[in-house]
Amino acid sequence: EVQLVQSGAEVKKPGESLKISCKGSGYIFTTSWIGWVRQMPGKGLEWMGIIYPGDSATRYSPSFQGQVTISADKSTNTAYLQWSSLKASDTAIYYCARRTDGSYSFWGQGTMVTVSS
Amino acid sequence: SYELTQPPSVSVSPGQTASISCSGDNLESKYASWYQQKPGQSPVLVIYEDDKRPSGIPERFSGSNSGNTATLTISGTQAMDEADYYCLAWDSSIAEVFGGGTKLTVL
Repeated sequence: EVQLVQSGAEVKKPGESLKISCKGSGYIFTTSWIGWVRQMPGKGLEWMGIIYPGDSATRYSPSFQGQVTISADKSTNTAYLQWSSLKASDTAIYYCARRTDGSYSFWGQGTMVTVSS
Repeated sequence: SYELTQPPSVSVSPGQTASISCSGDNLESKYASWYQQKPGQSPVLVIYEDDKRPSGIPERFSGSNSGNTATLTISGTQAMDEADYYCLAWDSSIAEVFGGGTKLTVL
């Protein structure tokens, strides 16, 4: 059974750093792209970027380039999304999803990130 | 940057056909997929590569993509289909982008 299990909810202050995770199982982790998607409170889905764990190739949306870093550790079948300095506007649910056949066929449960002073 | 436009809301009576559009420049040259999201849940893929249905998705869900518009059609709409729907397009030049989402109400 394919599973993407994301790390738990986070509450941070502006300016702090954060790294959230997405652990894959039930498939060969290194052979499928993993994407990250933001959903701000009450808003729609926004594509942030994607990584191929096999060689760590990444692509970012222009809106998120330079704002976040996507990485992966193939030894632990885990993808990551990180911020070096959080802003209140980063408050959102973040989803990881497995990409197959040009679409996101399986999604994690989401990680809620709250940034507040 | 590339943009996809969806109507904010669509209403349909139970048993009728709902159509949700997704418009973008020369969209037919890109692959479109559709996602259903119910409150408090992760999105679920309902259509991929314009018109293919993943296993487990009911046959009442179908898709098409022609010209500048991709369309998700739900035939015989049921109350359980009430949700937000998002289109996604990708190709090598744009990476990927979501439409703004459409709230489907089954009255």
